Amino acid sequence: DIQMTQSPSPLSASVGDRVTITCRASESISNSLNWYQQKPGKAPRLLIYGASSLQSGVPSRFSGGGSGTSFTLTINSLQPEDVATYYCQQSYGTPPFTFGPGTKVDIK
Amino acid sequence: EVQLLESGGGLVQPGGSLRLSCAASGFTFSTTVMSWVRQAPGQGLEWVSAISGSGYIHYADSVKGRVTVSRDNSKDTLFLQMNSLRVEDTAVYYCATVESGSYFDNWGQGALVTVSS
Repeated sequence: DIQMTQSPSPLSASVGDRVTITCRASESISNSLNWYQQKPGKAPRLLIYGASSLQSGVPSRFSGGGSGTSFTLTINSLQPEDVATYYCQQSYGTPPFTFGPGTKVDIK
Repeated sequence: EVQLLESGGGLVQPGGSLRLSCAASGFTFSTTVMSWVRQAPGQGLEWVSAISGSGYIHYADSVKGRVTVSRDNSKDTLFLQMNSLRVEDTAVYYCATVESGSYFDNWGQGALVTVSS
């Protein structure tokens, strides 16, 4: 099965900072990489699919990039409401769909 | 508006069984791939199972042989039958729609399953 890792964790930054989370796959997954945001006590929310496509309704300060085995989620100008845990998830080929361990983001 | 409402969670003893349901509305359920994802307390997300509209099924190795996913397209409802439950199955179980057979674009609020003696 494909394994996913994320870094850093946790991540602490100031309001207005540009924040980047990295996700790596144990083998090439092309652009089959998705990102989710989860706030405490809530269900996850899809942010980015296909490595770089922004889900409808998601603020444009969120962006995704990468392909193959290395991917990034960037938050331009971190806002207080962005405090959450962020997960990557690979969807290459048939299941199992694998999630990364998560990156907890908070405000300094 | 897409709505997914899980039910059936609760406390069960190790070795016991439980059946979760997920009532769907706001989209064409019969042609939508559906999935279960779980999250143990304080832990990350773990994909559990997926089922296509026509009944093509996948399971995670961690639950294979103990869990059965099914759907009733006439009632827009997804099910997860869990048997031989273990303490490590304790988690919030989410149902989710799977777009393009690839990503989870709508999620329910979750149902808590606690396996404890």
